[in-house]
Amino acid sequence: GAVVSQHPSRVICKSGTSVKIECRSLDFQATTMFWYRQFPKKSLMLMATSNEGSKATYEQGVEKDKFLINHASLTLSTLTVTSAHPEDSSFYICSAESGLAGFTDTQYFGPGTRLTVL
Amino acid sequence: DAKTTQPPSMDCAEGRAANLPCNHSTISGNEYVYWYRQIHSQGPQYIIHGLKNNETNEMASLIITEDRKSSTLILPHATLRDTAVYYCIVRVVTGKLIFGQGTTLQVKP
Repeated sequence: GAVVSQHPSRVICKSGTSVKIECRSLDFQATTMFWYRQFPKKSLMLMATSNEGSKATYEQGVEKDKFLINHASLTLSTLTVTSAHPEDSSFYICSAESGLAGFTDTQYFGPGTRLTVL
Repeated sequence: DAKTTQPPSMDCAEGRAANLPCNHSTISGNEYVYWYRQIHSQGPQYIIHGLKNNETNEMASLIITEDRKSSTLILPHATLRDTAVYYCIVRVVTGKLIFGQGTTLQVKP
């Protein structure tokens, strides 16, 4: 099956620093990747959609200058949380799809990254 | 965007079939129904998807009503490891998956 990895799985950082999270599709090429965040006991909330080689599309209310997304290759997308603050502490999850199957394409999710900002 | 409605929680006895309902009355003709599950502190796991025909794979069966306004996910023989939050999602044409609150399935011994 399709496998998506994320690195790191957990990260703790100080307030004001930047953190980069990587999302990789291991056994398929992903033309589109998605980034979600999830607060405790809440559902996943879509943050942005990224297509390889183009700028990400952010959901309403998501600050694009704070959450920098780069999708430089068909197997790698990165999310950088800039100048992180405690309220950015969350579970960040990426997903990827090949883009080959149109309406029936399936998103496969990574295991998530737990970010704690002190 | 088509929304889904699911019961917040359900219990199921181990070894029995778990039937998880979902309403999606505003679904459009070319929108697929997807089911994912999320075990605590992990990323969602894909289960199954369908358009109008019933579907079955090694994990589950998906029954979609003829009018496509509702569907049921069936786990034929639930185990304790099936305890999770199950999400029914209508995939919109842009590819976005809009997650609702899902159904927390508790499989009990």
